[in-house]
Amino acid sequence: DIQMTQSPSSLSASVGDRVTITCRASQSISSHVNWYQQKPGKAPNLLIYAASSLQSGAPSRFSGSGSGTDFTLTISSLQPEDFAIYYCQQSFSTPLLTFGGGTKVEIK
Amino acid sequence: EVQLVESGGGLVQPGGSLRLSCAASGFTFSTSEMNWVRQAPGKGLEWVSYVSSSGRTIYYADSVKGRFTISRDNAKNSLYLQMNSLRADDTAVYYCARAEYSDYTYVKYFDYWGQGTLVTVSS
Repeated sequence: DIQMTQSPSSLSASVGDRVTITCRASQSISSHVNWYQQKPGKAPNLLIYAASSLQSGAPSRFSGSGSGTDFTLTISSLQPEDFAIYYCQQSFSTPLLTFGGGTKVEIK
Repeated sequence: EVQLVESGGGLVQPGGSLRLSCAASGFTFSTSEMNWVRQAPGKGLEWVSYVSSSGRTIYYADSVKGRFTISRDNAKNSLYLQMNSLRADDTAVYYCARAEYSDYTYVKYFDYWGQGTLVTVSS
């Protein structure tokens, strides 16, 4: 199975900060990475697919990059509504998809 | 508007059974690949099962293989998950999610999710 290791597991940041979350795959997965945001009590919401494509309706302050084994989700200017948990997901080994452990973004 | 609405969750004893449903609307269900994903309390996301648009191709995570059965009824725009021999570690919120693919690179992602239904396995 392909393992996805996210870091950090949590971070504290202030409104307006630039935030970067990383995800490392246990083997090369090309660009088969997606990023989701999850708020308490809600379903995950797709932000980025295929490593760098912004999902329709997602704010442009979110961006994704990377290929192979190393991937990054960046929030260019953190907003109050961005405090949530973020998950990466690999779909290279579809249909056996795996998620990263999550990164909790908290208010500093 | 796309909607996925899960139902059927609840409290069940270890060894018991439960059938989850997911009612779909706002898109062409019969041509969509569907999945179940679960999340244990306070934990991360775990893919559980996949069914192709026709229902002929099915996959399961090792953790549920032999105990869970995914199915769909395209005439009713509905997805199901029959869960048997339930264990405490099956306790989770269960989400149904639609799969979609990116243009050119054909990367699969989950673009629509239901609100989830809670399954609690406890005596």
